[in-house]
Amino acid sequence: EVQVVESGGGLVQPGGSLRLSCAASEFTFTNYYMTWVRQAPGKGLEFVANINEDGSERYYADSVRGRFTVSRDNANNSLYLQMNSLRAEDTAVYFCARGRFGVGGIDFWGRGTLVTVSS
Amino acid sequence: QSVLTQPPSVSAAPGQKVTISCAGRSSNIGNNYVSWYQQLPGTAPKLLIYETNKRPSGIPDRFSGSKSGSSATLGITGLQTGDEADYYCATWDSRLSGGVFGGGTRLTVL
Repeated sequence: EVQVVESGGGLVQPGGSLRLSCAASEFTFTNYYMTWVRQAPGKGLEFVANINEDGSERYYADSVRGRFTVSRDNANNSLYLQMNSLRAEDTAVYFCARGRFGVGGIDFWGRGTLVTVSS
Repeated sequence: QSVLTQPPSVSAAPGQKVTISCAGRSSNIGNNYVSWYQQLPGTAPKLLIYETNKRPSGIPDRFSGSKSGSSATLGITGLQTGDEADYYCATWDSRLSGGVFGGGTRLTVL
């Protein structure tokens, strides 16, 4: 069964940093784009970042560009999101998901990890 | 303010049909595939439609997708109480070089 499991969420002060991880299993990780999507409490879905199969292409939402970095370790079937200069508005559940906008869609989602930015 | 515009809510009776619209522009829906996601309360989103009108394995044919110009539509027939959820459209925006979602539509099955 395909699995993506997020970890690394928690409470962080404004201006702080956090690194999210996503462990993928039961599929050929190197065949897929991977995507981060977030959802603020009571709000809708928001694209954060995605990365292509070999990590050579990365895309970011305007709201996080320059502060967040997406990366992947294909040897360990892992996806990461390094989040710096965190703001209160970054508070959300962060979902790791397999796939991309476009061909194939984002076809499998993790349960998410909650990031709370507050003093 | 979402890049893609969806109605905040729709409702219909069990067994009836409902459509959910998603309006965009040429840089997103007009020139890219659209996908639709269902999010039941407290759960992760689930892919319903990809590449504008294709259904993943396991998604019943009660769900359908279409596109005309820069707008897309999700159709659901034979409504069931279990279909009560939030529905999101999504696509790539070539001008933004990023993914975009609609604001979401809450479906109520009366």
